[in-house]
Amino acid sequence: QQPVQSPQAVILREGEDAVINCSSSKALYSVHWYRQKHGEAPVFLMILLKGGEQKGHDKISASFNEKKQQSSLYLTASQLSYSGTYFCGTDHYNQGGKLIFGQGTELSVKP
Amino acid sequence: DTAVSQTPKYLVTQMGNDKSIKCEQNLGHDTMYWYKQDSKKFLKIMFSYNNKELIINETVPNRFSPKSPDKAHLNLHINSLELGDSAVYFCASSQEGTGGYNEQFFGPGTRLTVL
Repeated sequence: QQPVQSPQAVILREGEDAVINCSSSKALYSVHWYRQKHGEAPVFLMILLKGGEQKGHDKISASFNEKKQQSSLYLTASQLSYSGTYFCGTDHYNQGGKLIFGQGTELSVKP
Repeated sequence: DTAVSQTPKYLVTQMGNDKSIKCEQNLGHDTMYWYKQDSKKFLKIMFSYNNKELIINETVPNRFSPKSPDKAHLNLHINSLELGDSAVYFCASSQEGTGGYNEQFFGPGTRLTVL
C-alpha cells in the first residue's frame, strides 16, 4: 500500500519553512526520506527507525510517529538548493526490507 | 569515483526488441535493487538481490529478467519491449541484508524510450 504524501506541491520563497507529511495505512518499521532534483537520481536525506524519533541535519529534520504511522519532514529557512521532489519511502515489518515510495512532493523555492 | 553506475544513460528502441541495462556499484554493498520511475515520477521497486540471491520480486512481467553475476553487479534484461516499458530505470544499492534501515544509493538512471 503506497504511503500518501501531502501536500503534492508547494512553492516557497527563500527563507520560508515547509512541512511535508507521509502517512501509511500499514504499521511502519522505518521511514526513509529522499530528494530528487529534475533529471537526477534520488538522494538519501535520512532514515527514521523508532517511534517518536526525530532526526535532522542542517535545516532539514524529520519526525516519525509510529503509532500514527506517520512521518513529517521539516525544512526551515529554505534555500534555492532545496528545490526538488521529496519522497518518503516506507518499510513495513516482514517485507524483506522493501521500500514503498510515496507519490512525491514537488518543492519549488523561489528567490 | 562513481558509487553506483548504470549503462546506458539513454536507450531508444523499437517495440518488440530485447535490451539490457547494466549496473555496477563499488561501495561493497550486499544488496542491489532495480526501480522503475514512470512519467508521473512514481518510483516502484521491481527486484532486489542480496549477495546474488533474489530476495524481492514484485509483480513484474516475466519479460523482465534480472541477473546478478556477483554482488557488485545487477543487470536487467527486457524481452519484447512494449510502449508501457518506457520509463526511467534506477539501480540502487545498500549495505547489509535489507534496505529497511540502511540508506540506498541510487545510480544516475537509464531513460528507456520504446517507439
